[in-house]
Amino acid sequence: GQQVMQIPQYQHVQEGEDFTTYCNSSTTLSNIQWYKQRPGGHPVFLIQLVKSGEVKKQKRLTFQFGEAKKNSSLHITATQTTDVGTYFCAVNTDKLIFGTGTRLQVFP
Amino acid sequence: DVKVTQSSRYLVKRTGEKVFLECVQDMDHENMFWYRQDPGLGLRLIYFSYDVKMKEKGDIPEGYSVSREKKERFSLILESASTNQTSMYLCASSVPGQISNQPQHFGDGTRLSIL
Repeated sequence: GQQVMQIPQYQHVQEGEDFTTYCNSSTTLSNIQWYKQRPGGHPVFLIQLVKSGEVKKQKRLTFQFGEAKKNSSLHITATQTTDVGTYFCAVNTDKLIFGTGTRLQVFP
Repeated sequence: DVKVTQSSRYLVKRTGEKVFLECVQDMDHENMFWYRQDPGLGLRLIYFSYDVKMKEKGDIPEGYSVSREKKERFSLILESASTNQTSMYLCASSVPGQISNQPQHFGDGTRLSIL
């Protein structure tokens, strides 16, 4: 069945450092979604990637879909304390399957 | 903005009780979902519904049932609560269309403790 691996599980960075989380699937995907969950909050949709090799940017966040459509990454440039939270990828089957998430902690 | 409202933020129940978790959305969404979230396990789908009175099992339906009598309301039922059902429960909704292609809008969650 569909397996989704998200790494790393935790990441602690100094404010201003970059951060990347990776999402890997065992099968080819038609699309992938990314969500952010702030501490004590609920997941909030960030973006959806559909095309092979697609790259999308939202301010300091860069999302990439692999050429083979089996993996994706989220990169944050120059992290800020407001970036703290858990980042989830979600991949499609007949329903969404969420990765286990990467928890980001940013130290000022 | 989509508003997904879960009836309780925190709930404490006893083993063996029948527990109802309620979720209401105000955007006329066809699709509604129930997840549980546990540390290290991410979000796991319990049940979902793509229309009134329709329901589909997710990945971990055992010990749960659902009810969708009205489009805006999706209820999760723990038939006989057990301690391993202590968790954060999240409700979500999305617009019509292929479920895996639509962004999901989440409620604030219900932290349920079973004693």
